[in-house]
Amino acid sequence: QVQLQESGPRLVKPSQTLSLTCNVAGGSISSGAYYWSWVRQSAGTGLEWIGRINNRGETSYNPSLKGRVAISADTAQNQFSLKLTSVTAADTAVYFCARALGPSPFDFWGQGTLVTVSS
Amino acid sequence: DIQMTQSPSSLSASVGDRVTITCRASQSINTFLNWYQQKPGKAPKLLMYAASRLQSGVPSRFSGSGSGTEFTLTITSLQPDDCATYYCQQSYSSPYSFGRGTKLDLK
Repeated sequence: QVQLQESGPRLVKPSQTLSLTCNVAGGSISSGAYYWSWVRQSAGTGLEWIGRINNRGETSYNPSLKGRVAISADTAQNQFSLKLTSVTAADTAVYFCARALGPSPFDFWGQGTLVTVSS
Repeated sequence: DIQMTQSPSSLSASVGDRVTITCRASQSINTFLNWYQQKPGKAPKLLMYAASRLQSGVPSRFSGSGSGTEFTLTITSLQPDDCATYYCQQSYSSPYSFGRGTKLDLK
């Protein structure tokens, strides 16, 4: 059973960088045809897919984030990370990490972590 | 980008009722349509994938249908544990978009 767990600062100041890490247990992020994604949820925008990385390190991002996002992986630590730059209050949301197999749905999710952007 | 539109946005029903939620895509997504259930403070839970395939462990009272642009999620006999918000999501093309949700509660 794969388990995902988000970690990182819960409060970020406007214009700074939001950084989160997703630790994966019960499966290697470097094996199989899986994609490791970040999804966020806020009252304003609902559920929004942020981007993903695969086992070859290839990334894909939601254009709505206008180049502010970067996802990377650390296979030695079996975790992947999200960086979102130049944050504003609109980036306040619950951030989830999740796994998908190719074009398949998100079958495993982390519990989510609320990140608030405020001075 | 593909827009996903769910209806209704909220729904009240009684235990034992048949409940149907609709999801429409702004363009054809074949059967790359998934349904999730989310309870307060929890992550979404996968219920159905590929429009009509039941995820392992999900009760058989849940079913899905549709292809192209119109899809439905049906609960044949509503149970108290089914009170939650339901989301559709397309996995046809990036960016992978979600509907705005249907909140289901007991009448």
